[in-house]
Amino acid sequence: AGVTQTPRYLIKTRGQQVTLRCSPKSGHDTVSWYQQALGQGPQFIFQYYEEEERQRGNFPDRFSGHQFPNYSSELNVNALLLGDSALYLCASSTGTALNTGELFFGEGSRLTVL
Amino acid sequence: QKEVEQNSGPLSVPEGAIASLNCTYSDRGSQSFFWYRQYSGKSPELIMSIYSNGDKEDGRFTAQLNKASQYVSLLIRDSQPSDSATYLCAVHGSSNTGKLIFGQGTTLQVKP
Repeated sequence: AGVTQTPRYLIKTRGQQVTLRCSPKSGHDTVSWYQQALGQGPQFIFQYYEEEERQRGNFPDRFSGHQFPNYSSELNVNALLLGDSALYLCASSTGTALNTGELFFGEGSRLTVL
Repeated sequence: QKEVEQNSGPLSVPEGAIASLNCTYSDRGSQSFFWYRQYSGKSPELIMSIYSNGDKEDGRFTAQLNKASQYVSLLIRDSQPSDSATYLCAVHGSSNTGKLIFGQGTTLQVKP
């Protein structure tokens, strides 16, 4: 099975909170989250390995995450802003891929903030 | 200066032609380089990876890397309408943690 993300589409209003979920590809233990605004390349949010945040990109504390013992992960965004509207991509890899950067992406969760 | 730069295009080529996509990066210590293809409304899909200077060929695709010039390119031979997509250049930085830095992507249109 590949990388599974839920929900695929969601609409929220400013100030609300959202939780996005990701199940990594079978055999993968590392999950990274990316934000892709329209017409832009994906931007790294953070990466989880062994249930800990391993690295974080330039995103505010409103963005938080978690990894569970089964390697699945959640991305939480609090106090939503209009600018948070984007495609949120989950990417999985194995620990051994950390030195190669070969990632497998899910189909993404498209968030619209009104 | 952006960390990874691509011309956003669109790049339009006729069917059967060679499409040439280019990318420059700023971190001289970068070790791994990738090309992802992204169809409209879909997620990125890895199509090529390259780690050392020179050319790497895979079917109709050739990736070229020149670390001295901090330049990566992707050539698509015998372009097909199904190749029409956005091509994202991604660089694995010198921090060696699996974080990829993406360019904004080049949109390729292959016209029948």
